[in-house]
Amino acid sequence: AQSVTQLGSHVSVSEGALVLLRCNYSSSVPPYLFWYVQYPNQGLQLLLKYTSAATLVKGINGFEAEFKKSETSFHLTKPSAHMSDAAEYFCAVPLASGYNKLIFGAGTRLAVHP
Amino acid sequence: DAMVIQNPRYQVTQFGKPVTLSCSQTLNHNVMYWYQQKSSQAPKLLFHYYDKDFNNEADTPDNFQSRRPNTSFCFLDIRSPGLGDAAMYLCATSRDSEGLFEKLFFGSGTQLSVL
Repeated sequence: AQSVTQLGSHVSVSEGALVLLRCNYSSSVPPYLFWYVQYPNQGLQLLLKYTSAATLVKGINGFEAEFKKSETSFHLTKPSAHMSDAAEYFCAVPLASGYNKLIFGAGTRLAVHP
Repeated sequence: DAMVIQNPRYQVTQFGKPVTLSCSQTLNHNVMYWYQQKSSQAPKLLFHYYDKDFNNEADTPDNFQSRRPNTSFCFLDIRSPGLGDAAMYLCATSRDSEGLFEKLFFGSGTQLSVL
């Protein structure tokens, strides 16, 4: 069965520091992987997705993620954190039973301090 | 702007009193989903509609029902809410993409409290 594991429920960085949010997946089908972000009091929105093309995927707001098959990982990074990046981030993988049905990881709450 | 709208933003109900949450979309997407997100947990898929076809997840309790009277609207009915049903309920939509993984468009959610 498909699953995603996000290491670290809370990550705190200084403004301007590197952001690294970890996601490992378990999938029996060719992986399609997603990162969604949830700002306070809002719904989720897509940051980026991997669909078996380039292994380095660029998303919105300066985020990118690298697919590493050997490590079954899809970690999210941003070179320089901004205060506005404070949010909850979810890694997700589709359910095999339905193309657009997603299984989400437990989420990582990113805090950015001055 | 085209979007997914959920009303109300906050809903308070009493234990055992039926409650309905609503979702509307202007994207003309044929697939609509309901997710339940409890505090500090991942969103969990309850069910989805592919056009008028209803698809329930195996572990969704019978207490949860849904209606989709037309393309634009979808409702989540909780017949007898329990304390454990307090959560954020997220509506999402997507296009049917014949095997491609389209992104989901989410509403802002309805935060349900059960007293």
